[in-house]
Amino acid sequence: NAGVMQNPRHLVRRRGQEARLRCSPMKGHSHVYWYRQLPEEGLKFMVYLQKENIIDESGMPKERFSAEFPKEGPSILRIQQVVRGDSAAYFCASSPRKSLNQPQHFGDGTRLSIL
Amino acid sequence: DQQVKQNSPSLSVQEGRISILNCDYTNSMFDYFLWYKKYPAEGPTFLISISSIKDKNEDGRFTVFLNKSAKHLSLHIVPSQPGDSAVYFCAASAGSSNTGKLIFGQGTTLQVKP
Repeated sequence: NAGVMQNPRHLVRRRGQEARLRCSPMKGHSHVYWYRQLPEEGLKFMVYLQKENIIDESGMPKERFSAEFPKEGPSILRIQQVVRGDSAAYFCASSPRKSLNQPQHFGDGTRLSIL
Repeated sequence: DQQVKQNSPSLSVQEGRISILNCDYTNSMFDYFLWYKKYPAEGPTFLISISSIKDKNEDGRFTVFLNKSAKHLSLHIVPSQPGDSAVYFCAASAGSSNTGKLIFGQGTTLQVKP
């Protein structure tokens, strides 16, 4: 499967625990975006990364959320001390970004549930 | 501030007829527009896009129309098929931001009846 891979597909955490969501972009794509979808809403941009760099984190909550895209390995979205309001579907997308206007391709998401 | 709006939460169409999904935007800096289709428990799948230098783009049964003066775009599916039943999201980006981040509408649920 050459598509965007996200894991786990489902993640259950108790309040106060940490959640780690992983995303491997499509082969040849070096640009990764994270989006969050709350129930009955559209997707909301969180962060845009290239290898080893955060380019735009304007959609990230100021506290508890962080993201990285290391030189080797998948991109990680990390949520510390999770709260009930963090329950959502988190989608990763990747793009080759060889030009400005290119579609992003999405993974199937991680559904995070907070007990 | 909802910069991209899909005002119809749902649409029901008979198989074989045309489906028209609408989208409005407020930010005049948007210059690239996309439509995605999403099935439950899956990620959005890219359908078709259009740059602001064009007013129409066609790909098989899917055509996107852009009216920049009205800040409005629409997706036409013809003929509609039951397999087209899904949630459709309109999205936009501003090239000037140089990040490519997408701003999504709330989605329209399309049901195509056999």
